[in-house]
Amino acid sequence: DAKTTQPPSMDCAEGRAANLPCNHSTISGNEYVYWYRQIHSQGPQYIIHGLKNNETNEMASLIITEDRKSSTLILPHATLRDTAVYYCIVRGMWDSTLTFGKGTMLLVSP
Amino acid sequence: GAVVSQHPSWVICKSGTSVKIECRSLDFQATTMFWYRQFPKQSLMLMATSNEGSKATYEQGVEKDKFLINHASLTLSTLTVTSAHPEDSSFYICSARYGPSGNTIYFGEGSWLTVV
Repeated sequence: DAKTTQPPSMDCAEGRAANLPCNHSTISGNEYVYWYRQIHSQGPQYIIHGLKNNETNEMASLIITEDRKSSTLILPHATLRDTAVYYCIVRGMWDSTLTFGKGTMLLVSP
Repeated sequence: GAVVSQHPSWVICKSGTSVKIECRSLDFQATTMFWYRQFPKQSLMLMATSNEGSKATYEQGVEKDKFLINHASLTLSTLTVTSAHPEDSSFYICSARYGPSGNTIYFGEGSWLTVV
């Protein structure tokens, strides 16, 4: 069972920031929040993960609320190539697997 | 990030034949690899966990005699679909745990299987 809730779809204009929300109200203390995306007909691509602090890398920023019950993935300047399904996944430190939900289909338009 | 590669990218086979898909970790050693299956417009479903040097662990409902998994080295896991049927046509994706703590999992490009 997926432990996260995401909107099924979102739109974003090219060049704008894309803010993708994720609710994980039942997250426990040793569980991380992971984000992956899947471009059509490709394998999922790792984006970022975090425990409780905000994280940033070359692809995106991850903002986790203080109570850790929700998070937001931020793509600062969305491009057409960012159109994909984005998956927010909660995974325990000792869990070996990733369980995928339905994700958010992000459509970036010109 | 770490690179996981699958081969072939796509394959067409006849019903009743077997087909093998390879998954390689190109720049790291992976003691644990995973195999997923994805049907059109659906999410990824975990099929099995493959551990180097031991038997794979299959998820409920996945036939271990039909989907043979071998993880003979730290950089290679193979999935063999035996006696393939059209309903086995799907997108098969492997992944591997990376790093000392295995905190990050990287995925291959996926392999499209069409059984005719």
